[in-house]
Amino acid sequence: DAGITQSPRHKVTETGTPVTLRCHQTENHRYMYWYRQDPGHGLRLIHYSYGVKDTDKGEVSDGYSVSRSKTEDFLLTLESATSSQTSVYFCAISESSGTSGSGNTQYFGPGTRLTVL
Amino acid sequence: GIQVEQSPPDLILQEGANSTLRCNFSDSVNNLQWFHQNPWGQLINLFYIPSGTKQNGRLSATTVATERYSLLYISSSQTTDSGVYFCAVDGGFKTIFGAGTRLFVKA
Repeated sequence: DAGITQSPRHKVTETGTPVTLRCHQTENHRYMYWYRQDPGHGLRLIHYSYGVKDTDKGEVSDGYSVSRSKTEDFLLTLESATSSQTSVYFCAISESSGTSGSGNTQYFGPGTRLTVL
Repeated sequence: GIQVEQSPPDLILQEGANSTLRCNFSDSVNNLQWFHQNPWGQLINLFYIPSGTKQNGRLSATTVATERYSLLYISSSQTTDSGVYFCAVDGGFKTIFGAGTRLFVKA
């Protein structure tokens, strides 16, 4: 199994508070991703990173920011959490992306269940 | 953007039965992956298969890129196959997931 951890695994917070989720990998993969999973929507890409300090928006980026200061860590921040951000958040990694090749295979972390009251 | 449709949305099988899951996508893609999410929420990559056929034990997958679909075959299903199966494609650098097929295998 790919070495991907997420912290915290569960969090309950109140509307308006800031929240930071952490993804840590030990595989030295270049690409890292944050997804959210909601009933009826499958997984949707929030942000991704293609290197240290290199990030880009995904499908549902509003209300979220990310940072990657080290290869192994990718942080997702909700500046002011809202109830609509209650979800399960998954981090994923891959060696490559965009072009063809098995290096694009994505490996997922265990997920973080976030509840915003 | 690229649309990904999976069918059927739900499937119930008796243990030992075979099944075929389908993934249609609306545009040319560089990559296609199949994932299994088990009942505990863990996502496991089953296949990286932008074209052609691959097999791994009781599971196999075929992608016909020119016709924009992929099939996942499960043979001799087991209760541990239960969960949700997702197809995901890459439109450029962004991965788009289908809504999934929820499979329940009865003992």
